[in-house]
Amino acid sequence: DTEVTQTPKHLVMGMTNKKSLKCEQHMGHRAMYWYKQKAKKPPELMFVYSYEKLSINESVPSRFSPECPNSSLLNLHLHALQPEDSALYLCASSQDRAGSRREQYFGPGTRLTVT
Amino acid sequence: AQSVTQPDIHITVSEGASLELRCNYSYGATPYLFWYVQSPGQGLQLLLKYFSGDTLVQGIKGFEAEFKRSQSSFNLRKPSVHWSDAAEYFCAVDSDNYGQNFVFGPGTRLSVLP
Repeated sequence: DTEVTQTPKHLVMGMTNKKSLKCEQHMGHRAMYWYKQKAKKPPELMFVYSYEKLSINESVPSRFSPECPNSSLLNLHLHALQPEDSALYLCASSQDRAGSRREQYFGPGTRLTVT
Repeated sequence: AQSVTQPDIHITVSEGASLELRCNYSYGATPYLFWYVQSPGQGLQLLLKYFSGDTLVQGIKGFEAEFKRSQSSFNLRKPSVHWSDAAEYFCAVDSDNYGQNFVFGPGTRLSVLP
């Protein structure tokens, strides 16, 4: 089973709202990732968690706040977003960040629209 | 820093024809190489990967890719394309340098004519 699930599938929020995106995997993977993807562009890495610790933050604005409550769950908390933050947000996981177990498996994404 | 190029932004092929999507990378050592496919509005699906060993790797959905160190390339091929293969294809590179990140190429959009 190589399934990563994400909820919700679609989210519309105003610039003053607070919302959260959720990601879950039950493959025993120890690395989890958040990506942002704009239309007709490749995914851009936002955050990496390795063994439940934040290991990479790609200079993402503080209005995006990641959280890894346990090894199976990854959240992305959103607050005071801008319309340009509208995008497809993808979660991924891999067995590890190094070695031959690093291939990433992606969820279906959350389509976020900021109004 | 490592980088990935996919020279073809958009390719159109007829159903049943063969396909080759190009990928070139820039990195000193042998990288870890991947091909992903993305249907509109969907997540990315891993087609195949290369870490070491045999330079011709087989993947899902009848795809294969060949790693050529001398050309810094990892081209994706399929002998006979199906209409359902129409999608965006991304080549990606990772490295053993722990500080480096997983890098995606810009993508190639594949259209399939009936």
